[in-house]
Amino acid sequence: DIQVTQSPSSLLASLGERVTITCQTSQSISNNLNWYQQKPGQAPMLLIYYATSLQTGMPSRFSGQYSGRSFTLTITSLEPEDIANYFCLQHYSAPWTFGGGTKLELK
Amino acid sequence: EVQLQQSGPEVGRPGSSVKISCKASGYTFTDYVMNWVKQSPGQGLEWIGWIDPEYGSTDYAEKFKKKATLTADTSSNTAYIQLSSLTSEDTATYFCASGGYFDYWGQGVMVTVSS
Repeated sequence: DIQVTQSPSSLLASLGERVTITCQTSQSISNNLNWYQQKPGQAPMLLIYYATSLQTGMPSRFSGQYSGRSFTLTITSLEPEDIANYFCLQHYSAPWTFGGGTKLELK
Repeated sequence: EVQLQQSGPEVGRPGSSVKISCKASGYTFTDYVMNWVKQSPGQGLEWIGWIDPEYGSTDYAEKFKKKATLTADTSSNTAYIQLSSLTSEDTATYFCASGGYFDYWGQGVMVTVSS
């Protein structure tokens, strides 16, 4: 199985701050990774698919990059509505596996 | 608008079974497989398996092969997961997810195993 290591597990940030979350995979998965936002009691929402593509309707302050086995989600300027949990998913090889999640909170 | 509407919270006794539903709307149900995901505080997110509603074919993660049974009813655009021989380890929130690769998710169903 492909292991996905996500960091940090929690993050304190201020409004307007640039935020970066990382997922590292145990083997190469090309660009087969998605990023999701999840708010308490709500369904996860797709933010970024295939590592770099912004899902329709998602704000342009969200972006994804990757290099080798390292994937990053960046929020260029944190907004109040961005306070949530974030996780990544590799869909290169079954069983599909998830990062451990990042809880983003306001400083 | 794609929607995946899941059934309500479940409480099951140890050793019993529960069945959760996921009703799809806003897209052709048979166009995409339906995935199921478990979310628990201790284990994070785990993929359980998928079902192809058109053919009824399934694939399960090894860990869930004896725990979960996936079915789908194309007449009602509804997918189901049955969890059997419940233990405390099954207490979690269960999501359905569909689309190309987990594009759309249901709101989740909390399953509590308690005597």
